[in-house]
Amino acid sequence: DGGITQSPKYLFRKEGQNVTLSCEQNLNHDAMYWYRQDPGQGLRLIYYSQIVNDFQKGDIAEGYSVSREKKESFPLTVTSAQKNPTAFYLCASSTPGLADTDTQYFGPGTRLTVL
Amino acid sequence: AQSVTQLDSQVPVFEEAPVELRCNYSSSVSVYLFWYVQYPNQGLQLLLKYLSGSTLVKGINGFEAEFNKSQTSFHLRKPSVHISDTAEYFCAVRKTSYDKVIFGPGTSLSVIP
Repeated sequence: DGGITQSPKYLFRKEGQNVTLSCEQNLNHDAMYWYRQDPGQGLRLIYYSQIVNDFQKGDIAEGYSVSREKKESFPLTVTSAQKNPTAFYLCASSTPGLADTDTQYFGPGTRLTVL
Repeated sequence: AQSVTQLDSQVPVFEEAPVELRCNYSSSVSVYLFWYVQYPNQGLQLLLKYLSGSTLVKGINGFEAEFNKSQTSFHLRKPSVHISDTAEYFCAVRKTSYDKVIFGPGTSLSVIP
């Protein structure tokens, strides 16, 4: 089955530690995205990548880093510089440029709690 | 800049009653419009989308939405809700295929038995 997987589902870390969230897709999509969701708020874009080896900052990139070495993988690192990292993180992918199929498909999310 | 407004943060409704979740957007150009649903502790699932053509769009789970260009609205409706429709609903917009998607703040739908 095609889809997006995120691991782990729940993640606990101590303050000051970097942590990497995994996102893998087998939909053959070109573009991938990372969003942050806080209670009662919509989704805010952290980083996105339209193609392998290229990525752009979203609206709240400070304290986060990403890489896109493979088409199917887009890991997100939450660094110690992120002041309030506890949140629900969602990864998505799409195939931009094709209007009929230009829909973002989402993974199940990772809930990060920093203690 | 584009923005998306969902006027109701919470909507309680009795089972089998109709529901409308409101969405308005601000954009001076043509846009693509989406509604997503999120069940607790899960990712978002696409309900329906408007790209062009007919202004009445039908989606999954019996939902439909109507695009109104003059009012810049894309309200979501269902004639009879079920308990299983209890979830968070997000309206979203993007200008072109290469633009970012802008999400609204979400509407929490609670279906009361």
